[in-house]
Amino acid sequence: GAVVSQHPSRVICKSGTSVKIECRSLDFQATTMFWYRQFPKQSLMLMATSNEGSKATYEQGVEKDKFLINHASLTLSTLTVTSAHPEDSSFYICSARDMDRGFYEQYFGPGTRLTVT
Amino acid sequence: GQQVMQIPQYQHVQEGEDFTTYCNSSTTLSNIQWYKQRPGGHPVFLIQLVKSGEVKKQKRLTFQFGEAKKNSSLHITATQTTDVGTYFCAGDNYGQNFVFGPGTRLSVLP
Repeated sequence: GAVVSQHPSRVICKSGTSVKIECRSLDFQATTMFWYRQFPKQSLMLMATSNEGSKATYEQGVEKDKFLINHASLTLSTLTVTSAHPEDSSFYICSARDMDRGFYEQYFGPGTRLTVT
Repeated sequence: GQQVMQIPQYQHVQEGEDFTTYCNSSTTLSNIQWYKQRPGGHPVFLIQLVKSGEVKKQKRLTFQFGEAKKNSSLHITATQTTDVGTYFCAGDNYGQNFVFGPGTRLSVLP
């Protein structure tokens, strides 16, 4: 159990376009979802925390107008990178918490590799 | 803000040798979690420690949470090539912050 999927796994887009990444919890209700960014051989950097039905909380330095997060249901959160630029190229990973289980671990999706040309 | 540090950054061991990575937080934590990320993969939850001084074991892995709940360690006994990957600790500050350490990259030479 506790499977999180992400789609797409890889995406290449042109500079100036927008890209949407989906994160789904497949077998549990994710009250909270997280979005991370990971550069090669580096740690995960938390971008934002989203709770179902409310606005996302962004970490300092993350532009909320550039990285739009929507958590419309207990099983789906989306991250839209708007007007993407080459410096936005990175590995984006979502994770989800199932607080109803009484545990606090995060279940990670497989990640989405974004390349902006 | 809360900072989580890990040492060492890299560790190369011969298969069969032991390995330890240390995690230190600048603030007291409500709990600490450990994750493993294989090359090309995504982080996978290993364990959560909640109590001061807690020690948990998973086969060859031993996890410890410090008495002050600001540090933790992961020890692997008799490493195997399957242990290769990056081990991250992540500190939870009572739900206010969840910060990953920079990770320790382990390579195991056969």
